[in-house]
Amino acid sequence: GENVEQHPSTLSVQEGDSAVIKCTYSDSASNYFPWYKQELGKRPQLIIDIRSNVGEKKDQRIAVTLNKTAKHFSLHITETQPEDSAVYFCAAHTGNTGKLIFGQGTTLQVKP
Amino acid sequence: KAGVTQTPRYLIKTRGQQVTLSCSPISGHRSVSWYQQTPGQGLQFLFEYFSETQRNKGNFPGRFSGRQFSNSRSEMNVSTLELGDSALYLCASRSGIQDRYTFGSGTRLTVV
Repeated sequence: GENVEQHPSTLSVQEGDSAVIKCTYSDSASNYFPWYKQELGKRPQLIIDIRSNVGEKKDQRIAVTLNKTAKHFSLHITETQPEDSAVYFCAAHTGNTGKLIFGQGTTLQVKP
Repeated sequence: KAGVTQTPRYLIKTRGQQVTLSCSPISGHRSVSWYQQTPGQGLQFLFEYFSETQRNKGNFPGRFSGRQFSNSRSEMNVSTLELGDSALYLCASRSGIQDRYTFGSGTRLTVV
């Protein structure tokens, strides 16, 4: 069935370092890949997304890359700050299904 | 523009009871999806409604049901509650096929 694998499950970095989170999806028909940040007790918030016709997208310190052949996409955060500490979820969406398949989440800790 | 509103925020129910959760999407959004978030299973898709029709359903038992009204507000119902139904229930809305999902703050359901 449809599945999204996300690694690592936890990630600890020093402030100013980069963080990379990787996801692999199983449904080759997936065409939209959002990333969400969820702080404790709060809603998941979209931080960046990419569609299948694009290989890379950047928004200030955040970037996402997509390799459709390998069915693999990654989140890159540069110059991390303590406020980046949160749980990050990747997701894959297929066509008009109205369904996001989520990865298991990565808890990112940025140490000052 | 008001965000996605979910009510109530917190709910405590007893095993065997039933519960109804409400989601009001962003004005103009016709699609509402529901997700269950638990520490063990992560974020799992329940179902999606568009223009009062259920378009897709996840792998949950028939105790989980929903509906959408003509004003796009959606309700989710869980009957014969079990302890394992304790979770954060999130809804997300979007205006069309290509648009991004915006999540509500969720309803925290505790079954005792």
